[in-house]
Amino acid sequence: AQTVTQSQPEMSVQEAETVTLSCTYDTSESDYYLFWYKQPPSRQMILVIRQEAYKQQNATENRFSVNFQKAAKSFSLKISDSQLGDAAMYFCAYRSAQGAQKLVFGQGTRLTINP
Amino acid sequence: GAGVSQSPSNKVTEKGKDVELRCDPISGHTALYWYRQSLGQGLEFLIYFQGNSAPDKSGLPSDRFSAERTGGSVSTLTIQRTQQEDSAVYLCASSLVASGVSDTQYFGPGTRLTVL
Repeated sequence: AQTVTQSQPEMSVQEAETVTLSCTYDTSESDYYLFWYKQPPSRQMILVIRQEAYKQQNATENRFSVNFQKAAKSFSLKISDSQLGDAAMYFCAYRSAQGAQKLVFGQGTRLTINP
Repeated sequence: GAGVSQSPSNKVTEKGKDVELRCDPISGHTALYWYRQSLGQGLEFLIYFQGNSAPDKSGLPSDRFSAERTGGSVSTLTIQRTQQEDSAVYLCASSLVASGVSDTQYFGPGTRLTVL
């Protein structure tokens, strides 16, 4: 079974600075998808960024980018120019490209933005 | 357009009672998922519906849990004889399709269930 590990329960960053959230995963599959979701206090999970395992190029969405290291099974999220609205729980998630369509989530990292 | 909606937003019930949680997916989405978020277990998959196929029930924790999806749209998650360990936030998600580039799962705001 696949597992996802986020080793940082909490992180904090100064507004306008850059922060990196870590995620590692374990799988024997070669084709899969990786995601970062954000969950603010409103509880609604919001997709931040998505990476297809077959793509070597790291995904980027405005201030959010990932460092995808397939051999190391690492998938970190970098948030540049942090804003107060970025404060939330961040979850890393894995999904197989074949078979089961469920998301497997990490334990989450609580990100605090200091003004 | 409208996102995934869930009702009720919060539900408080007594141990042993049955509860029903509702999910309205995004219109046109063929895949629907239920997840549970609890302090002890984190986020865990419960059940998945795709079109008219048999649902994937592999994540349901016990036979007290069941779900149905009527007409390929609205879904109801039912928990019978609730226990205190069922207290959690129940999240619903839907996706246009189950695989490929359009398979991003969009989540609803969840239902917080408290079992006294």
